[in-house]
Formats: sequence, C-alpha cells, structure tokens
Amino acid sequence: EAQVTQNPRYLITVTGKKLTVTCSQNMNHEYMSWYRQDPGLGLRQIYYSMNVEVTDKGDVPEGYKVSRKEKRNFPLILESPSPNQTSLYFCASSLKTNLNYGYTFGSGTRLTVV
Amino acid sequence: AQKITQTQPGMFVQEKEAVTLDCTYDTSDPSYGLFWYKQPSSGEMIFLIYQGSYDQQNATEGRYSLNFQKARKSANLVISASQLGDSAMYFCAMREPGGASYDKVIFGPGTSLSVIP
Repeated sequence: EAQVTQNPRYLITVTGKKLTVTCSQNMNHEYMSWYRQDPGLGLRQIYYSMNVEVTDKGDVPEGYKVSRKEKRNFPLILESPSPNQTSLYFCASSLKTNLNYGYTFGSGTRLTVV
Repeated sequence: AQKITQTQPGMFVQEKEAVTLDCTYDTSDPSYGLFWYKQPSSGEMIFLIYQGSYDQQNATEGRYSLNFQKARKSANLVISASQLGDSAMYFCAMREPGGASYDKVIFGPGTSLSVIP
C-alpha cells in the first residue's frame, strides 16, 4: 500500500531532551515536507526536501533540523525541544513532476513538550 | 510573500444543500498550483482537488468543484449536495514549483464546516 509512515503517533517529552520523529514513504517521491499544525494557524511548513541531500527551510524552521540521506526517509529532529513546539506534526510527500494529486500525508504525530 | 486567506473560520450548511468555502491567495509567481484538503475529526489530511494556474477550466472531482478566478486570485471550493460526512476542517493550499531553486507549499488557516441534518 502506498503510504507515508510517521512514528511515533503520540509523544510526551520534557524540555531539552532531544527527539526524532521519523517519516518514510514507499512511493519513490522526490519531494518531502514537514508541517506543524496549530489551532487558527493552519499548517505551517517547517522544512522541505526536493530530493536526496537537498533540503530547504520553510516558514518556521527555528528549533528543527532535518536530513535526507535516502529518498524514502525524511526525519525531523528537535535538538532541544521547548513547550512552544507542542503541536501536531505532519510529514507529506509528492512527485515533483506531477502536482495534480497533491500531497500524500502521514497520520500525524502529536507532540507535547512539558 | 506568499499568503493564503480563508475568511470563514466556521460555517454551517443544511444536509443536501451546496456550500462555498472561500480562499484567496497572493503570489507574484505566474506558475502555481492550488489545492484543497479535508481534515475530518480523526485528524488525517485528505487531498480533494487541484487547480493549476494555467488550467483554462475549473477543476471538478465528484461533488467538489473549484471556482477559480485568476484575476481576483480566488480559488473557492464548492461542495454540492452536502452530506453529514462532509463535516470537517477544510484547508486551501498553494504550491509554487520554482524549478530547482525552491518549492514551497503553504496552507491557509482553515474553515470548519458543520453539516446539519
């Protein structure tokens, strides 16, 4: 089944404890992206990657890191999480050459930083 | 700077009636794509419909159609014959595929639609 897999689905952590949210897709998509969703703000892009070893900042990159060593994986790293990073996070992917089908989204990761 | 505006935080519609969800966008790029996504209470994001900036006709997908008015920079979603299962949050989004240099996708704040039996 074609899908984007995020793990974990739920995470509660303490301020300053490094964490990684994994994202993997099995559709050979070039383009991958991370978003955070907060009430009233919609989804805001954190980072995106147009292909392996190519990453770029979205609108809210502060406090996050990403890497794209393989085409299928695009992990999101919070080196020192803070309470203002409590949010719902989505990973998404798409074919760069065909926009007509939009993104395929993962199921989301609800992160709470205390 | 890119921007997506959805001016209706919440809307109600009677079952079987049609409803229009508003979306305006701002871009200086001549090539872009517009999308609508649905997010039910379960949380997943579901792609509904796509409109390219050079498409001559409005996009349609089943009960969904996109009313694209390029000069006004508006891309409203029309849902015909509303069903109870249409109750959800709806997001308008825009993508500017800038070739090798950039490729951002931004979302609006969303409209919460409630369908009344």
